[in-house]
Amino acid sequence: NAGVTQTPKFRILKIGQSMTLQCTQDMNHNYMYWYRQDPGMGLKLIYYSVGAGITDKGEVPNGYNVSRSTTEDFPLRLELAAPSQTSVYFCASSYSRTGTGNTIYFGEGSWLTVV
Amino acid sequence: QKEVEQDPGPLSVPEGAIVSLNCTYSNSAFQYFMWYRQYSRKGPELLMYTYSSGNKEDGRFTAQVDKSSKYISLFIRDSQPSDSATYLCAITSGAGSYQLTFGKGTKLSVIP
Repeated sequence: NAGVTQTPKFRILKIGQSMTLQCTQDMNHNYMYWYRQDPGMGLKLIYYSVGAGITDKGEVPNGYNVSRSTTEDFPLRLELAAPSQTSVYFCASSYSRTGTGNTIYFGEGSWLTVV
Repeated sequence: QKEVEQDPGPLSVPEGAIVSLNCTYSNSAFQYFMWYRQYSRKGPELLMYTYSSGNKEDGRFTAQVDKSSKYISLFIRDSQPSDSATYLCAITSGAGSYQLTFGKGTKLSVIP
C-alpha cells in the first residue's frame, strides 16, 4: 500500500517553462488536494477535487491548473513558471470531507525551484 | 489578524521534558482542531484530532481546546529525540468544509 505518491521529488525550472507534478493514490479516496508550503509558512490549498471530473479552486490557484480524470490521479500543471512558484508542493487525499475528522494523507512532497 | 497564529519557534528542549505547543485562532466558526507532525523533508501526518473543548489524550500526547479563548494546545510528555519535528495546527470550520487552515508550524528539537 503506497498511499499518496508524488513525482518528481525535485525539479528546477526556468522562468516561463511549464511542467506537471504527478500525484496518484491507491486508497480509493474520493477527495484529493494540492497544497504548497513556503518556508516558515503554513500550508496553502491550491486546488482540490471531490471526485473524478470535479475540481475547484482553493486559496492560491493562480498560475496552476488541475484535472481529475480518474479517482487515483490528480496532476497539477504549472504554466509559465515564475519565481513566486518556488515552493514545496504536497498532494494529499482523504476518504471524505476534512471537516468530519477524516484523516488527510499527504505525499512526500515535490521541491520545485524556478530560476 | 491572521486566522490561525502559531509561534514558529524554534523550540529546543532536553529529553524527558514536557513540551507545550500552542495556536490561537480568530474565527469562532472553527469547530474541528487537528495537530499534524512533519518530519524534515516529509509530508505532514495527522497526530491528534479534537472537536469539543477539553482534553484528548493519546499516549504521551494531549490535545487541549479552549473554544472560549480560541486557544488550542498540544502537550508532549516525556519528550523523545524522535519527537523532533515541525508541529502544525490545522483548523476547519465544520463538517461540510473541505479546507483546512494551517498554522505556520513550530519546529521542535528534543536534545538527548
